[in-house]
Amino acid sequence: GNSVTQMEGPVTLSEEAFLTINCTYTATGYPSLFWYVQYPGEGLQLLLKATKADDKGSNKGFEATYRKETTSFHLEKGSVQVSDSAVYFCALSDGDNFNKFYFGSGTKLNVKP
Amino acid sequence: KAGVTQTPRYLIKTRGQQVTLSCSPISGHRSVSWYQQTPGQGLQFLFEYFSETQRNKGNFPGRFSGRQFSNSRSEMNVSTLELGDSALYLCASSFGGRTYNSPLHFGNGTRLTVT
Repeated sequence: GNSVTQMEGPVTLSEEAFLTINCTYTATGYPSLFWYVQYPGEGLQLLLKATKADDKGSNKGFEATYRKETTSFHLEKGSVQVSDSAVYFCALSDGDNFNKFYFGSGTKLNVKP
Repeated sequence: KAGVTQTPRYLIKTRGQQVTLSCSPISGHRSVSWYQQTPGQGLQFLFEYFSETQRNKGNFPGRFSGRQFSNSRSEMNVSTLELGDSALYLCASSFGGRTYNSPLHFGNGTRLTVT
């Protein structure tokens, strides 16, 4: 079956530190991969996506590369800001099952000034 | 362009009651999905509707049901509420169809508290 595993949080970093949040997946077929971010009291917002192997998604300084050989989609940012504090979710969509998405458990990021 | 709108934002209900949550998708989106978010279980998929038909269903009891109208708006109903139904219920819309890489766009959710 399909599933997403991401690193446990919380992750606490100082401002301007480098961020990596690990995400690995199990899927049948050819999924698309996504990172979503959730700020307190809000729904999830799409951060970036990649639809095929070796694609790199990027947005607002965040990047993730779709690695089929390691079934990974790690999220990275070179220099985090306090405003990046949020919960980050890795997700995949099942290519065979239309809009059925599978989400990881979420990783809370705290950035201290 | 207006985003996904969920109403109400907050609900407090008593065990045994029923509740209806509403979701208006982004204009042009024909697919609406519902998720339950809790601290212990994370995001769990409830169901997905496309053109008024339920296409996918998660592993929730029959007390959880939904429907979609011809204008793509969707409602979700939970009957005979239990304490464990307390959660943030998120609605998400997308274009749907065969474009499986079309991302989900989420509303801000309805926070349901069952006492």
